[in-house]
Amino acid sequence: QSVLTQPPSVSGAPGQRVTISCTGSSSNIGAGYDVHWYQQLPGTAPKLLIYGNNNRPSGVPDRFSGSKSGTSASLAITGLRADDEADYYCQSYDSTLRVVFGGGTKLTVL
Amino acid sequence: QVQLVQSGAEVKKPGASVTVSCKTSGYTFATYGISWVRQAPGQGLEWMGWISGYNGNTNYAQQFQGRVTLTTDTSTRTAYIDLRNLRSDDTAVYYCARDVDRHVDYWGPGTLVTVSS
Repeated sequence: QSVLTQPPSVSGAPGQRVTISCTGSSSNIGAGYDVHWYQQLPGTAPKLLIYGNNNRPSGVPDRFSGSKSGTSASLAITGLRADDEADYYCQSYDSTLRVVFGGGTKLTVL
Repeated sequence: QVQLVQSGAEVKKPGASVTVSCKTSGYTFATYGISWVRQAPGQGLEWMGWISGYNGNTNYAQQFQGRVTLTTDTSTRTAYIDLRNLRSDDTAVYYCARDVDRHVDYWGPGTLVTVSS
């Protein structure tokens, strides 16, 4: 059971927009800790996609965006492409002084 | 460029210990911490702990307290994770990752640890 809750799967057609939610609590996201997102392509290590709620590292396309409100956060992907098919994880910090992850969401491009 | 290179795959018997190394390059080691994250087959990411590259301070996930030790060798810019009393459910890919501001920005390729009798 992950501390942060994500939908197990989402899907969309090429060119469409999809969002992935990440729900926490008052001891992590709701306590003001930032949310970060990682993309994990099949068989590879995760890659930082969004940090500090809505910042993209160099090289990440602006099709990816993040937002945070209250005890939840969201990752949005616009102009969906076949190579976006991957697992996506949200991550935050908890007032018990530990890093917490969501359970991951598998994105399928139809 | 920032690189994290991990040691090779390991096969261990239940009850044994394993050490995985993570050699870093391309940045000032003391400026960042190293987090260790594992991923069991077909499962999600699980944070195990963090170690400061500056002074070796550590922070462990509660579920691993007493069974895991994180260390660094600043002379070789290498971080280590030692996991003891291995069980079959410790079978996973173990990742080291550079930690900045409570998130990680660069990941190692992962090390598969298989625990089997």
